[in-house]
Formats: sequence, structure tokens, C-alpha cells
Amino acid sequence: EAGVVQSPRYKIIEKKQPVAFWCNPISGHNTLYWYRQNLGQGPELLIRYENEEAVDDSQLPKDRFSAERLKGVDSTLKIQPAELGDSAVYLCASSPGLAETQYFGPGTRLLVL
Amino acid sequence: AQSVTQLGSHVSVSEGALVLLRCNYSSSVPPYLFWYVQYPNQGLQLLLKYTSAATLVKGINGFEAEFKKSETSFHLTKPSAHMSDAAEYFCAVSEVAGNQFYFGTGTSLTVIP
Repeated sequence: EAGVVQSPRYKIIEKKQPVAFWCNPISGHNTLYWYRQNLGQGPELLIRYENEEAVDDSQLPKDRFSAERLKGVDSTLKIQPAELGDSAVYLCASSPGLAETQYFGPGTRLLVL
Repeated sequence: AQSVTQLGSHVSVSEGALVLLRCNYSSSVPPYLFWYVQYPNQGLQLLLKYTSAATLVKGINGFEAEFKKSETSFHLTKPSAHMSDAAEYFCAVSEVAGNQFYFGTGTSLTVIP
């Protein structure tokens, strides 16, 4: 069974530029998460989807971050414009449902110059 | 509110020695508890989880953890360290009825030959 797929794996951009990350969860997993992991820290939740509905986006900086999961399968996380402090690893995870184990993708490592 | 504390951001052990990584949690309700491992440039991989069944949980790669409610702890152990165990380890807590994970800041394990 294929795991969580993320692309790109690495991205380098200049500040004020836009950037987008893509995630394809494990087939059949209704719940999808986006996390940000700063260097030396644990992952912090940005947004959680149940199917196509964003049910927890309280930690998403909505002035510059947006996300979508239009058909309840794959998802895109966007930053516009990017700031230096956005440099981090962006992790996507999925789970079959409520309170189930989360399975993580390899992450996208973003460097903003 | 829930939180996770991992004591010791860096732990070094000799190959063949006991591995002990500490995790304490705070939760107002019975939690689910998890240990994840992260190898360089990879996503998080589940090692083991506690979901209110047996308090001693066995995971992959010879790791195990014991849930101690009186101590609010979920320490990770392995009797004999292997070079391949060198990685970052994260403890996470989730409410039984919720689906949000709270991660600790991680412990970097170094195995000395």
C-alpha cells in the first residue's frame, strides 16, 4: 500500500514569493493534516480536514496561508507571500478517521531566502 | 489543555546499552499516547501507541513503552541499542475523543559504536 505522498520534497524561494505544497493521503483515509515542523521542534498542526471540510484551522496564519481539499482526497497548502520565518518542513499526515493513528509523508523542506 | 514534555533533547548511548527516552504528558482526560521516530530527511514513522489497553506496549524494532498513569509518563525503552536506532524520537498525546496530536519537542538519540 502506498504511503502519504508529498511534493516537492525541497523548495527554495525568495521572500514575498508564493509557494504551494501538494499532498496525496493514503487511499481511504478521510482525515488529512498539515503540520509545520521548525528545526529542532516537534510538528505543530496547521489545519485538519475531515473529508473536504476544514474542521480545525485555528493555527493556520490565514493572512498568508491557505489550504484546500476540494474532492476530499489530495490537498494543497499555499503560502503567499512567503516570509523568512516560514522556512520549515511542512508535513502532511492522514488517518482513517477520528482518533486513529496518523501516517506521515516525507515532508517538504522549504527555505525562504 | 494537553501537553507533552520530553526530558533531554539529546541522549547518547553506547551500542548494546539500554535506551531510555522520557516522556511526560498532561491531559485532563484519558489519553492516547504515541511514539514516533524520524530519520534524517524523512517523515515520522509510528513506533508504538497506547490506546487504553495493556499498559506495556510493544512496538517495532524492539522498542516498548509503559503507560504509568500515576506518573503521567510514557517512557520509551529498548534493551540493546543498535546503530540504526540513531534518529529523532517524538512523543505525542491525543485525547480519546479528539483527533489532534500534541507533539513533544523531540529527543535526538545518538548511538556510539
